[in-house]
Amino acid sequence: AQTVTQSQPEMSVQEAETVTLSCTYDTSESDYYLFWYKQPPSRQMILVIRQEAYKQQNATENRFSVNFQKAAKSFSLKISDSQLGDAAMYFCAHNTAAGNKLTFGGGTRVLVKP
Amino acid sequence: KAGVTQTPRYLIKTRGQQVTLSCSPISGHRSVSWYQQTPGQGLQFLFEYFSETQRNKGNFPGRFSGRQFSNSRSEMNVSTLELGDSALYLCASSRERTGNTIYFGEGSWLTVV
Repeated sequence: AQTVTQSQPEMSVQEAETVTLSCTYDTSESDYYLFWYKQPPSRQMILVIRQEAYKQQNATENRFSVNFQKAAKSFSLKISDSQLGDAAMYFCAHNTAAGNKLTFGGGTRVLVKP
Repeated sequence: KAGVTQTPRYLIKTRGQQVTLSCSPISGHRSVSWYQQTPGQGLQFLFEYFSETQRNKGNFPGRFSGRQFSNSRSEMNVSTLELGDSALYLCASSRERTGNTIYFGEGSWLTVV
């Protein structure tokens, strides 16, 4: 079974600064997919970024980028130039290659200070 | 393009009753999955349906069931409700291929009293 661990319950960042969220996972599969989702107070899950395990290149989406270390089973998210709208819960998730079955970490709450 | 639509958004049920939640996926998406979110257990996978067949199942008791119709719409049912079933139930949809982006609905808030 897959497990996903987010070791930081809460992170605080100054507006315009950079914050990095940690995520480690455990899987016996060689082919899988990793995601970061944002969940604002509305509770709508919004996809932030997606990484395919077979791709060595780290995914980037505007101010969001990941550091994917397959051997270490680590998948951290970097938010650059933080904005007030980035304040939310962030979830790291693993998806198996055998269908759409996401395993989520416990989440990291990001606070953005003006 | 409409997103994933879940109904009802909020509902209150009494212990022992049953509830049915509905989910309409994004047009063209044939995979629908369901998740339960609670403060104590976090986000947990319930089941996934693809082409009207259950493709994956999480570790939930048999009181939790689901189905998918030929138009890809899905329903989940919880029978004999317990207080612990109070949660946000999230539906998500995706295209056929595994690994495609998974899009979530706004969820159905269930309160069991």
